[in-house]
Amino acid sequence: GAVVSQHPSRVICKSGTSVKIECRSLDFQATTMFWYRQFPKQSLMLMATSNEGSKATYEQGVEKDKFLINHASLTLSTLTVTSAHPEDSSFYICSARRLAGDYNEWRKWGQFFGPGTRLTVL
Amino acid sequence: EDQVTQSPEALRLQEGESSSLNCSYTVSGLRGLFWYRQDPGKGPEFLFTLYSAGEEKEKERLKATLTKKESFLHITAPKPEDSATYLCAVLRNSGNTPLVFGKGTRLSVIA
Repeated sequence: GAVVSQHPSRVICKSGTSVKIECRSLDFQATTMFWYRQFPKQSLMLMATSNEGSKATYEQGVEKDKFLINHASLTLSTLTVTSAHPEDSSFYICSARRLAGDYNEWRKWGQFFGPGTRLTVL
Repeated sequence: EDQVTQSPEALRLQEGESSSLNCSYTVSGLRGLFWYRQDPGKGPEFLFTLYSAGEEKEKERLKATLTKKESFLHITAPKPEDSATYLCAVLRNSGNTPLVFGKGTRLSVIA
């Protein structure tokens, strides 16, 4: 249980186009989803936190108009990179917490992670 | 502000050469300290959660320990398949807050 999937796993696009990345919790309902970005040989950088039905909370320095996050259902969150540029090329990872989870579960598992999406902007 | 510092940044070991990875942390109330393994091009894979000082957990060749200020991931007689980046993260003891990650240690085990 507690599987998180991402689609696509890899995407290559031209500069100026928009790209949508989907994150799904396959066997549980996620009250909260997190989006991370990871550059080569660096750690995960939190971009934003989204709760189902609410606006995402973005970390300082992350442009909310460029990285659009929608968490429309308890099993799906999307990240859209608008007007992508080469500097947006990165590895994007989503993560989720279970709806039915509570203090004890979060304490035990932290977060469940997806396999990541490699974005390359030419 | 919560902080997690991992050392060394990179570690190269011969197969069978045991060693330890360090994770130092400062957090406003620790709910849990987590160790993950990440292979290139993949998402983090959960290894351990530690909650209180003195706690230890083991899995195959890995053993994680926790003090009030740091955690160690001991690797005993590593094999090439243990090569990966090992990430440490802390969860604050308040609200629905995200994990705070260290920069990771890139481990290479040479046959």
